Amino acid sequence: QEQLVQSGAEVKKPGASVKVSCQTPGYTFTGHFFHWVRQAPGQGLEWMGWINPNSGGTNYAQNFQGRVTMTRDTTIGAVYMELSSLKSDDTAVYYCAREKEGEPFFAFWGQGTLVTVSS
Amino acid sequence: DIQMTQSPSSVSASVGDRVTITCRASQGISSWLAWYQQKPGQAPKLLIYAATSLQSGVPSRFSGSGSGTDFTLTISSLQPEDFATYYCQQANRFPITFGQGTRLEIK
Repeated sequence: QEQLVQSGAEVKKPGASVKVSCQTPGYTFTGHFFHWVRQAPGQGLEWMGWINPNSGGTNYAQNFQGRVTMTRDTTIGAVYMELSSLKSDDTAVYYCAREKEGEPFFAFWGQGTLVTVSS
Repeated sequence: DIQMTQSPSSVSASVGDRVTITCRASQGISSWLAWYQQKPGQAPKLLIYAATSLQSGVPSRFSGSGSGTDFTLTISSLQPEDFATYYCQQANRFPITFGQGTRLEIK
């Protein structure tokens, strides 16, 4: 079972940025897109965008345009999500997820990274 | 954006019961729909994709139906491990959107 491993919990102050990593040990990028989904405490799932790990191309949800940047490092098979200008309502668990066979259904998920924004 | 509306928001049921959860899209999405199960403190788990296809390793008591705007997830005989929150997700058009979730509780 493919496992996505994310970086650890973060505590940030309002206005700061956070960068979360997602890696599959031993994985070679095959072109299946990686997506980022977040979940505020006690709330539902919110899609943030995707990155094509081969080309580096991205597509961001309008809600996050201008604040989110998704990148990848092909040498280690890692993808990253950076969110800037953090606000308290950005407090959430952030998940990376990989598509199933080129379709935007998320068959593989990271364990989640809790980002807490607090002064 | 395509709005996904699930019903009910919560349901109480007993082990062995048959349970149905519905999901309605604000516009037609063909069969571009998935269902996920999420337990507290865990990432979501893909159960059904393309509206009716069972993800590998998922028990056959889970099934999905529907196309267009109306979809259903059915659990034929509830097991103790099925008590969780369920989400539908449309993949027809970006931005990808999820339903608000249905919490399945033990009666």
